[in-house]
Amino acid sequence: GAGVSQSPSNKVTEKGKDVELRCDPISGHTALYWYRQSLGQGLEFLIYFQGNSAPDKSGLPSDRFSAERTGGSVSTLTIQRTQQEDSAVYLCASSFGGYNEQFFGPGTRLTVL
Amino acid sequence: RKEVEQDPGPFNVPEGATVAFNCTYSNSASQSFFWYRQDCRKEPKLLMSVYSSGNEDGRFTAQLNRASQYISLLIRDSKLSDSATYLCVVTANSGYSTLTFGKGTMLLVSP
Repeated sequence: GAGVSQSPSNKVTEKGKDVELRCDPISGHTALYWYRQSLGQGLEFLIYFQGNSAPDKSGLPSDRFSAERTGGSVSTLTIQRTQQEDSAVYLCASSFGGYNEQFFGPGTRLTVL
Repeated sequence: RKEVEQDPGPFNVPEGATVAFNCTYSNSASQSFFWYRQDCRKEPKLLMSVYSSGNEDGRFTAQLNRASQYISLLIRDSKLSDSATYLCVVTANSGYSTLTFGKGTMLLVSP
């Protein structure tokens, strides 16, 4: 079956612009996670969705970052007024929830010039 | 204080060698433990879960020491294809699976 997909795969934007990153989880997975990975760094948790609600947003680095999930499926991560330090690979993962294995998408490589 | 610590490496080993990685974690309430593998410019993929009793999957053996708060991964008979970054991952006792990743240990297996 299809895995987690993310789009776009690469995004280059200018400082100050808004960007939207999309994640399509594996069908039937109730839990969805966003992480980011900066060059040479570990993965940093951003936000967790269970269904359409986000019980944990503690990893969002600032109020420029927001995310939503609709229909218990697709999720969008929005970064407003992008800054150069936002440049990273943004990874989405999904699971059946609880402590089950998380399956990662291929990521979106964001470059802010 | 880092929640999950790993030696970044790289570990350079010849084919056929046995190599071991350790990882320490700070949250004593951590419930679940995993090793993920990440190839260069790829997403992480689950390698194996780590159980209290230790577990083995082919050439890979994982062990957990809750008292000392560390987990280990042993790779026997290394293959060129084992070259990757190995991520130590723990979950907190938060009722859902928020993973905390170590920065990873890079393994390079040479002919």
